[in-house]
Parts: sequence; structure tokens; C-alpha cells
Amino acid sequence: SQKIEQNSEALNIQEGKTATLTCNYTNYSPAYLQWYRQDPGRGPVFLLLIRENEKEKRKERLKVTFDTTLKQSLFHITASQPADSATYLCALDDTGFQKLVFGTGTRLLVSP
Amino acid sequence: GAGVSQSPRYKVAKRGQDVALRCDPISGHVSLFWYQQALGQGPEFLTYFQNEAQLDKSGLPSDRFFAERPEGSVSTLKIQRTQQEDSAVYLCASSLGTGQGNTEAFFGQGTRLTVV
Repeated sequence: SQKIEQNSEALNIQEGKTATLTCNYTNYSPAYLQWYRQDPGRGPVFLLLIRENEKEKRKERLKVTFDTTLKQSLFHITASQPADSATYLCALDDTGFQKLVFGTGTRLLVSP
Repeated sequence: GAGVSQSPRYKVAKRGQDVALRCDPISGHVSLFWYQQALGQGPEFLTYFQNEAQLDKSGLPSDRFFAERPEGSVSTLKIQRTQQEDSAVYLCASSLGTGQGNTEAFFGQGTRLTVV
């Protein structure tokens, strides 16, 4: 069956450290993978998009990798800040369709 | 407005009541999507419009759910005879292009529906 897995347990880290979140998928062949941030009571906010032929993408303190052999994406936040505390969702395109399929999200807590 | 607007923000419905949820996408956005998000879960696809055409409604849970976008801008998601399992946050998203995988999607704040 098709699955997108993100660590359901919250990730707790100290301010200034690098946070690494994992997204694994099975039985999908996405051409694109996206990462979103969601705060409580709000809709998801787009962060980064990476294509299947790109290994890595960066934006300010954010870095995303995409390994289509391992079927995995890693999302890094360097020099993390308490304001980075949120739920982070990975999403991929359902090949042949025009919709995003989301993982369950990982909650990140950055302590001062 | 600058972003995707959804109304109402909160809706409490008695079981069996009909509800209508509204989405105002970003002006000029061709694609519009509805998602359902249960507590602690990621959004799940319901339906997709390209302009006024409903191209995919494979995620609608039952025939009690109906969506429309008659003029290719504002969309309404209607749920008839609401059931408790319909309680969730309903998110609307729009994007400039004709797909969602390769372009940024802009989400509204959602409508939290509680069926009592």
C-alpha cells in the first residue's frame, strides 16, 4: 500500500542546534516533494519544493534532500530558534494526478 | 485579499444538519483544492478544481459531500446530513498553475467543523 511516514513523536532540541526531520515514502514515484510548516489553528505554509532530479535544495537556514533510491527526504533547520517550533509536513505529488499527498507531520519543539 | 480566505472559521452543527463552507482563493489562481484534516493527522485530499471544472473528486468520503466552483473563483464545500465523523478541519488551497505538485500551494486557515 502507499504510505508517507514521518516521525509521529515530537522532536525536542535545544536552541542553536540543527533539527533534522525525516520523510519516508513507499509505493510512490513522485516527481516533486514539498515541505510545509503548520502552526496550531492555521493552515500549512509552503517552505520548499525539491524535484526528483535535485539532490538538495537550500533556503536561508533550511535544507532539504531528496533521495529517490532510498525513497526518503530529510529536512534540516540549522541554528534553530524557538520560533521554529511547529509541525512540519512533507507532501508529494501523486504521480499522474494533480494533488498533493501529505504525511502526518512531525512536531518540532525548540527550547531556549 | 492577499491570501486564501475561508469562512466560517468555526462551525458547530447538530448531527443531520447541512453545512456550507466557503473558500475565496487568491485572485487569478487556476487551481483550487479542498482537504480534510483530522486532529494529529496530515491533510487528506478531497477534491480539485481547475477553473470551474471539477477534475478530481476521488477523495470525497461519501455522496453527502459536494463541492462547486461555478465561476472559477469562489468555491463552496457542502456537507449534507452531517455525521460526527465529519468533524475535522476543512482546508482550502489554491495555486497559480494547473497542478499542485510542482508549484507552491497557498492554504487558507481552515474551517473547524464540530458535529454534535
